[in-house]
Amino acid sequence: NAGVTQTPKFQVLKTGQSMTLQCAQDMNHNSMYWYRQDPGMGLRLIYYSASEGTTDKGEVPNGYNVSRLNKREFSLRLESAAPSQTSVYFCASSPARGAFFGQGTRLTVV
Amino acid sequence: GIQVEQSPPDLILQEGANSTLRCNFSDSVNNLQWFHQNPWGQLINLFYIPSGTKQNGRLSATTVATERYSLLYISSSQTTDSGVYFCAVRGNAGNMLTFGGGTRLMVKP
Repeated sequence: NAGVTQTPKFQVLKTGQSMTLQCAQDMNHNSMYWYRQDPGMGLRLIYYSASEGTTDKGEVPNGYNVSRLNKREFSLRLESAAPSQTSVYFCASSPARGAFFGQGTRLTVV
Repeated sequence: GIQVEQSPPDLILQEGANSTLRCNFSDSVNNLQWFHQNPWGQLINLFYIPSGTKQNGRLSATTVATERYSLLYISSSQTTDSGVYFCAVRGNAGNMLTFGGGTRLMVKP
């Protein structure tokens, strides 16, 4: 039982490059989330998906797109990376009670 | 959306001391959790507690949903308790899970 798995764990991008962060959960949860955490700060919600086939914007969606490919997978895409997107990205999945987080992806944009 | 405020923002304790962390939220919630983020960045579930009181070893939590706050108690603190403590809530009206700004705790030996 892996829980919530994020890939990659670390990534360095050049400004303007694109990439997709992957997230998969094996707990059959309906809701999934993407957050970013900047140094010394709390977690801010980028996008979330209440169920397969639905996605909604969170607090800081600009510069990102998401895909809820199926119930297990929720990916986050940066189309044209900017230095301001340097951060640690966390994926989470949630049943009706509680939430479970992946280990995070540390992204640096140079 | 729902607002979540945590206090204090920073806390320094001597090992063995007790502390109380507070989380205030602006609307009715159906999900409230406390997390500990360790120095390696991992988010660890402490409590799922939308109402009532729970205890787990030296940690306990109380949520008074009608007054829109939750408290996390740490007793006999240890250096391994250091890190950041987050409160996260989901309002009755939606599916967003919103985090507070966290309380950064340092326990000195």
